[in-house]
Amino acid sequence: DTGVSQNPRHKITKRGQNVTFRCDPISEHNRLYWYRQTLGQGPEFLTYFQNEAQLEKSRLLSDRFSAERPKGSFSTLEIQRTEQGDSAMYLCASSLSRGSFQETQYFGPGTRLLVL
Amino acid sequence: AQTVTQSQPEMSVQEAETVTLSCTYDTSENNYYLFWYKQPPSRQMILVIRQEAYKQQNATENRFSVNFQKAAKSFSLKISDSQLGDTAMYFCAFMNYGGSQGNLIFGKGTKLSVKP
Repeated sequence: DTGVSQNPRHKITKRGQNVTFRCDPISEHNRLYWYRQTLGQGPEFLTYFQNEAQLEKSRLLSDRFSAERPKGSFSTLEIQRTEQGDSAMYLCASSLSRGSFQETQYFGPGTRLLVL
Repeated sequence: AQTVTQSQPEMSVQEAETVTLSCTYDTSENNYYLFWYKQPPSRQMILVIRQEAYKQQNATENRFSVNFQKAAKSFSLKISDSQLGDTAMYFCAFMNYGGSQGNLIFGKGTKLSVKP
């Protein structure tokens, strides 16, 4: 299977702890996106990368959140000093961008975070 | 800022019948993409259908078709011959065309139940 993969699939942590999630995109895709989805809502954009460059960050991405894509392949999303409000599904998606034409974004299975 | 509105939180349909899910959006852009994604219970988000705003012809994918009304900023999804496997959350999403903007803007979703 060459789809988008995310690890771990589930994470339970205590408030104040740091957590890190990993996303492996489809291999030829140069764009990688992070979204957050809370119960009963649609996904909300957090940030995205084109290759290794982080091109856009949402105002939802507080200074406790940091994302990296060091070699333009996999990406990590770290949340420091977790709060109960961070409990959500964190989705990763990837796509191929060619100039102004945008290919479809393909989503991973998500990482469900529960902060106790 | 662009917004996407799905006015039907829940819908149900009998197996083999046809159902239409509504979506409206707001944008000042002329070129953009619209999508319907499906998220089955506890499973990952998958693309159902995609429409480029510059295309006048409505997109179709097997039993799925859209009614794209650009002037009205409406983008409804019709599912024909509904199957039990169509039970899922359906999200309408908008994406700007081109350049550095590539994130999806989602509606809140419509929960569709297909009844035997």
